[in-house]
Amino acid sequence: GAVVSQHPSWVICKSGTSVKIECRSLDFQATTMFWYRQFPKQSLMLMATSNEGSKATYEQGVEKDKFLINHASLTLSTLTVTSAHPEDSSFYICSAKDRGNEQFFGPGTRLTVL
Amino acid sequence: QKEVEQNSGPLSVPEGAIASLNCTYSDRGSQSFFWYRQYSGKSPELIMFIYSNGDKEDGRFTAQLNKASQYVSLLIRDSQPSDSATYLCAGTGGTSYGKLTFGQGTILTVHP
Repeated sequence: GAVVSQHPSWVICKSGTSVKIECRSLDFQATTMFWYRQFPKQSLMLMATSNEGSKATYEQGVEKDKFLINHASLTLSTLTVTSAHPEDSSFYICSAKDRGNEQFFGPGTRLTVL
Repeated sequence: QKEVEQNSGPLSVPEGAIASLNCTYSDRGSQSFFWYRQYSGKSPELIMFIYSNGDKEDGRFTAQLNKASQYVSLLIRDSQPSDSATYLCAGTGGTSYGKLTFGQGTILTVHP
């Protein structure tokens, strides 16, 4: 099956710093990538949808200036959490899809902001 | 009202029994439905998807879709302790990007 990787798998940072998370589709071209956030004991919440070469579409309530998404190629999307605060601590998961219906999920990145 | 709702759980079944997980959705434009399994601390992994009315079987898993009732279910036969996880139901709306809306998840515990 299709493989999606994320890097890093976990990160700890100080409040006020920025953190970049990479999402890569390893063996297929991802026309669309999605970024989710999951807090403990809650379901996945979609943050934004990104298509290669165009601006991301953010879900209601997600600050686009705080969560910068870049989808520069068909195999790479990045999420940058700017000026991170403890309330941004969460499990960030990306997924990628080609022209089919199925989304392939990355392994997730656990962010802890001190 | 949430777009995708799952029976709240948690659900506990003995090993070897059938586990039944249910999901309802409000958007009649939803076309495809997905069942994911998520172990603690891990990302979701796809079990199966369904887009036609009726049943779809894959090994010990059977997904059922009833578009008239806006109802999706997942049956797990011969449940094993390794099936203990959170099960997430997700549906795609009528968008071309295939955005998924997830239910809140049902925690399943299979006890020996």
